[in-house]
Amino acid sequence: SAVISQKPSRDICQRGTSLTIQCQVDSQVTMMFWYRQQPGQSLTLIATANQGSEATYESGFVIDKFPISRPNLTFSTLTVSNMSPEDSSIYLCSVLAGSTYEQYFGPGTRLTVT
Amino acid sequence: RKEVEQDPGPFNVPEGATVAFNCTYSNSASQSFFWYRQDCRKEPKLLMSVYSSGNEDGRFTAQLNRASQYISLLIRDSKLSDSATYLCVVNRPYNTDKLIFGTGTRLQVFP
Repeated sequence: SAVISQKPSRDICQRGTSLTIQCQVDSQVTMMFWYRQQPGQSLTLIATANQGSEATYESGFVIDKFPISRPNLTFSTLTVSNMSPEDSSIYLCSVLAGSTYEQYFGPGTRLTVT
Repeated sequence: RKEVEQDPGPFNVPEGATVAFNCTYSNSASQSFFWYRQDCRKEPKLLMSVYSSGNEDGRFTAQLNRASQYISLLIRDSKLSDSATYLCVVNRPYNTDKLIFGTGTRLQVFP
């Protein structure tokens, strides 16, 4: 499976500010995804990060709030914009492994908004 | 009805016990099924994919019943290190790349 790293691992931010989270994979992957896991909840897909084109967002998530970049096949960023305490969550990137539809996750970024 | 439904637990079992988790999914068009394990404050890790014929990996056995839209995970000879939350995951119908996660079943194995 791919080795995935995320930066930062955690952060505490003030409301109204923005945070950019980086996801780096040690090999080229076609599909990368961004998820959110709110306290005590399961994972919710935010968007699919598409290389060379705009991300595809799930219902309830918009580009203005969660802009995503995917400049190449090993890297993606997710920005959480104009943060509020409701954005406090763990943000995880994942990659799709080959043809088996198995996904592997980065270690996550724990965000607290005060 | 939730797309993927699991008993949240917790299941508290002694070491050496056998424990079974169940999961139901709502859309019969789902094609891929997985169990993930998530330790506290960690990312989910793939435990095993679930195949139509059922599959086994050491102490872990997964079963799929398409007719009943039901997935199970059996853990034999539980270890303390098995304590975690187990997530039932299915792919979104007609969009095989995207996954739907259950809320997880928490397992606590005690000495």
